[in-house]
Amino acid sequence: GENVEQHPSTLSVQEGDSAVIKCTYSDSASNYFPWYKQELGKRPQLIIDIRSNVGEKKDQRIAVTLNKTAKHFSLHITETQPEDSAVYFCAASKDNQGGKLIFGQGTELSVKP
Amino acid sequence: DADVTQTPRNRITKTGKRIMLECSQTKGHDRMYWYRQDPGLGLRLIYYSFDVKDINKGEISDGYSVSRQAQAKFSLSLESAIPNQTALYFCATSDSRLGKTDTQYFGPGTRLTVL
Repeated sequence: GENVEQHPSTLSVQEGDSAVIKCTYSDSASNYFPWYKQELGKRPQLIIDIRSNVGEKKDQRIAVTLNKTAKHFSLHITETQPEDSAVYFCAASKDNQGGKLIFGQGTELSVKP
Repeated sequence: DADVTQTPRNRITKTGKRIMLECSQTKGHDRMYWYRQDPGLGLRLIYYSFDVKDINKGEISDGYSVSRQAQAKFSLSLESAIPNQTALYFCATSDSRLGKTDTQYFGPGTRLTVL
């Protein structure tokens, strides 16, 4: 089955710097890659997603890139702010499994003022 | 997202007890999921349901069972709880009818401790 590896497990940056989190997946049939943000004590919430027919997607300070050949995708956060501090999860899915997501292990991002 | 609720929010129980966690949603979504979250392991899928008559095992279904009582309700049961089932449990929903099958909306979570 699908396996998703996420790195790093923890990441500390200074406010204003950029942060990058990387994930690799094993199943070449996966075609949907969402990113979820989980603040302390809260539920995970979708922040951005990408499908396999595009290589990059941006939403303000957040962007996701996908390299299908290498089977990896990354989350990029620019101009980080303290409120970006959270745990971030990547995931992968195949459409024909109707939303069955396989998650990475999570990255705890800390943005220091 | 207040449209997905879970009860109880916290539960402490003893080894061998039967426990039921409940999830309700008012979003009108057809698909529902149960995950457990453990530190360093991310979110792992226990069971998922595409509609009332469709139940599927996820990555880690052993020791768990589910019931989809209605489109809006999906319950997770631990028939005989054991300490390594201590975790944070999340319910999630998604709506295949909007063409956004994979966008999942999570409940607030249930923290379960098995002594």
